[in-house]
Amino acid sequence: EAQVTQNPRYLITVTGKKLTVTCSQNMNHEYMSWYRQDPGLGLRQIYYSMNVEVTDKGDVPEGYKVSRKEKRNFPLILESPSPNQTSLYFCASSRWLAGNEQFFGPGTRLTVL
Amino acid sequence: TQLLEQSPQFLSIQEGENLTVYCNSSSVFSSLQWYRQEPGEGPVLLVTVVTGGEVKKLKRLTFQFGDARKDSSLHITAAQPGDTGLYLCARTGNQFYFGTGTSLTVIP
Repeated sequence: EAQVTQNPRYLITVTGKKLTVTCSQNMNHEYMSWYRQDPGLGLRQIYYSMNVEVTDKGDVPEGYKVSRKEKRNFPLILESPSPNQTSLYFCASSRWLAGNEQFFGPGTRLTVL
Repeated sequence: TQLLEQSPQFLSIQEGENLTVYCNSSSVFSSLQWYRQEPGEGPVLLVTVVTGGEVKKLKRLTFQFGDARKDSSLHITAAQPGDTGLYLCARTGNQFYFGTGTSLTVIP
């Protein structure tokens, strides 16, 4: 089954404790992206990657890191989480052509205390 | 940041009613997508529009792209409870920009 998977689905942590949210896709997509979704603010892009070893900042990259060492994986790293990073996070992937459909993962709900 | 404004923000209607939601931008879209997101899930693509003036239909949903490619609308005819969800428009490109969404509730 073609899909984007994220882990964990739910995470409660404390300020400053490094964490990684994994994202994997099995569709051989070139483009992968991370978003955060907050009430009243919609989906905002954090980072995106157009292919292996190529990553670029989105609209809200501060406090986040990503890597793209393999085509299928695009982990999101929070080196020192803060409460303002409490949010719902989505990973997405697509074939690389502007206008192509993005396939979203099921989301990771993160709470930073 | 490229602002995409969606209106209305919230909409609650009775089953069988018609509705229209809007997506507006101050700049031109190269192409625009509409997604629907159900509670607890990620967004799912409904349609992509590319050409100014383009109209696409998906069963009871009609999508229109403005002639100047700065705005778009989504019209739902005879809404059903299964249409309930968050409707998001998105500007495509290297970066994606999503609107703030319209939360639709269709009451049986």
